[in-house]
Amino acid sequence: GAGVSQSPSNKVTEKGKDVELRCDPISGHTALYWYRQSLGQGLEFLIYFQGNSAPDKSGLPSDRFSAERTGGSVSTLTIQRTQQEDSAVYLCASNVRGGEGYEQYFGPGTRLTVT
Amino acid sequence: GENVEQHPSTLSVQEGDSAVIKCTYSDSASNYFPWYKQELGKRPQLIIDIRSNVGEKKDQRIAVTLNKTAKHFSLHITETQPEDSAVYFCAAIITGTASKLTFGTGTRLQVTL
Repeated sequence: GAGVSQSPSNKVTEKGKDVELRCDPISGHTALYWYRQSLGQGLEFLIYFQGNSAPDKSGLPSDRFSAERTGGSVSTLTIQRTQQEDSAVYLCASNVRGGEGYEQYFGPGTRLTVT
Repeated sequence: GENVEQHPSTLSVQEGDSAVIKCTYSDSASNYFPWYKQELGKRPQLIIDIRSNVGEKKDQRIAVTLNKTAKHFSLHITETQPEDSAVYFCAAIITGTASKLTFGTGTRLQVTL
């Protein structure tokens, strides 16, 4: 079946512009995460959605970052007034909770370059 | 919330030698511990996991051990091969709750010829 998909795969934007990154999780997966990964670095947690619960936004680095998840499926990460330090790969992941289903499936990522 | 520490941050071994990566976690309620491998330019993928009701799990050349008392778990790779070169992440979570999966900071493993 289809895995986690993300779009666009690459995004080049000018400093100060807003960008939207999209994540389509695996159908039926209730949990969705966004991570940021700078070159050669680890997985920086940004935000976590679980079912109808309030999202865990504790990882968002500033108020320029926001995310929403509509209908418990597709998620959009928005970065306003982009800065050069926002350049990174943004990874989305999803998993189904409960039972044996804790494997987290990652999308291919969106490489964001802010010029 | 949960905090997972991982070390070493980098590890270089010769082909055929063993590699060990260690993680500690802070929340004693955590009961599921997966390991992910991220090859260069690719997305992380699950390679092995362990639940708190067992102390060790093996899958061919890789194994994971868990010490609940000390709150640490380790990844062991034996007879390392060049294709084992990657970044490895450990993680922890409390199953059956809304808590999130928490990752360690990663270990870059380089297997040299």
